[in-house]
Amino acid sequence: NAGVTQTPKFQVLKTGQSMTLQCAQDMNHNSMYWYRQDPGMGLRLIYYSASEGTTDKGEVPNGYNVSRLNKREFSLRLESAAPSQTSVYFCASSEALHTRGNEQFFGPGTRLTVL
Amino acid sequence: GNSVTQMEGPVTLSEEAFLTINCTYTATGYPSLFWYVQYPGEGLQLLLKATKADDKGSNKGFEATYRKETTSFHLEKGSVQVSDSAVYFCALSGGTGGFKTIFGAGTRLFVKA
Repeated sequence: NAGVTQTPKFQVLKTGQSMTLQCAQDMNHNSMYWYRQDPGMGLRLIYYSASEGTTDKGEVPNGYNVSRLNKREFSLRLESAAPSQTSVYFCASSEALHTRGNEQFFGPGTRLTVL
Repeated sequence: GNSVTQMEGPVTLSEEAFLTINCTYTATGYPSLFWYVQYPGEGLQLLLKATKADDKGSNKGFEATYRKETTSFHLEKGSVQVSDSAVYFCALSGGTGGFKTIFGAGTRLFVKA
């Protein structure tokens, strides 16, 4: 039982390049999330998927797109990377969106640097 | 909207010292409250939670009580170990702010042997 897995662990991009961050969970969770973590700012929600086939914007969606490929997988795409997107990206999942006390399970993160 | 404020770090303690990390929140309704921990190089993992007023969450010697009258959820541990060195995040979800989980900025804890 791997939980939430993310690839790659590290990535360096040049400004304007594109890339896709992959995330998969094996807990049969309905909801999945992408966050970015920046020093002193906690985690900020980029996009989320309440259930398979749906996606919605979070707090900081500009410059990103997502795909909920199936129940297990939720990818994050940077179409044209900018230095402001240098961050650590975390994927998370939970049983459902609106369950009280809804615990989220996090992947190990992707450390992205945009030069 | 909902928000979480936690004490700034880093917090440096000697092994076996008492730990308090303060967390206060702003929310309407009855949110659930959480403490997550992030060990170096890893993602966040749930440490404890409380879903209603006066509930006490506890795990691995850590405790926090949901105080609605003071809108607080302070994290405490009676005797810290070097292995407790990590970043601790207070968070909330629910209430009238909806499902989204709002995280505090995190407090880094260093425990010296």
